Amino acid sequence: GAGVSQSPSNKVTEKGKDVELRCDPISGHTALYWYRQSLGQGLEFLIYFQGNSAPDKSGLPSDRFSAERTGGSVSTLTIQRTQQEDSAVYLCASSPSSAGTTDTQYFGPGTRLTVL
Amino acid sequence: AQSVTQLGSHVSVSEGALVLLRCNYSSSVPPYLFWYVQYPNQGLQLLLKYTSAATLVKGINGFEAEFKKSETSFHLTKPSAHMSDAAEYFCAVWRNDYKLSFGAGTTVTVRA
Repeated sequence: GAGVSQSPSNKVTEKGKDVELRCDPISGHTALYWYRQSLGQGLEFLIYFQGNSAPDKSGLPSDRFSAERTGGSVSTLTIQRTQQEDSAVYLCASSPSSAGTTDTQYFGPGTRLTVL
Repeated sequence: AQSVTQLGSHVSVSEGALVLLRCNYSSSVPPYLFWYVQYPNQGLQLLLKYTSAATLVKGINGFEAEFKKSETSFHLTKPSAHMSDAAEYFCAVWRNDYKLSFGAGTTVTVRA
């Protein structure tokens, strides 16, 4: 079946512009995660959605970052007034079960964001 | 809090040689541990996971990992490296706040 998809695959923007990154999780998966992978660093958790519950935003680095998940499916990560330090690969993952389980997270191919 | 440390940011092996990637964990409770692989310009793919059922875990592509509580380790091995194993490998531990905590990653290059 279809995996997690993300768009765009690459995004180049100018400093100060807003960007939107999209994630389509695997159908039926209730949990959705956003991570950031910066050059030379590991994966940094950003935000977690579980069903219709309020998202866990504890990993968002600043108030310029926000995310929403519509209808329990597609998610959009928005970065306002982008800065050069926002340049990274943004990865989305989904998993099938409810909170408290250790189900495998399935990752999308990522969006490579470059802020000039 | 649960965390993992990967020893060695870069490993170079000859084709056909043993691949050994080291991961040590820190956890006050029995951990759930994962190894993921990331090929160039792709997302992460699960290689294997440990959820306390068996200490030796077999994964895809001939990889396996052994959970050793006494050493707080979960090292990944493959007996014979193939050129297609060139990738970045991440160890991760499941945290009790429903997130994965990843190591910094180990890049594997395979020499012909």
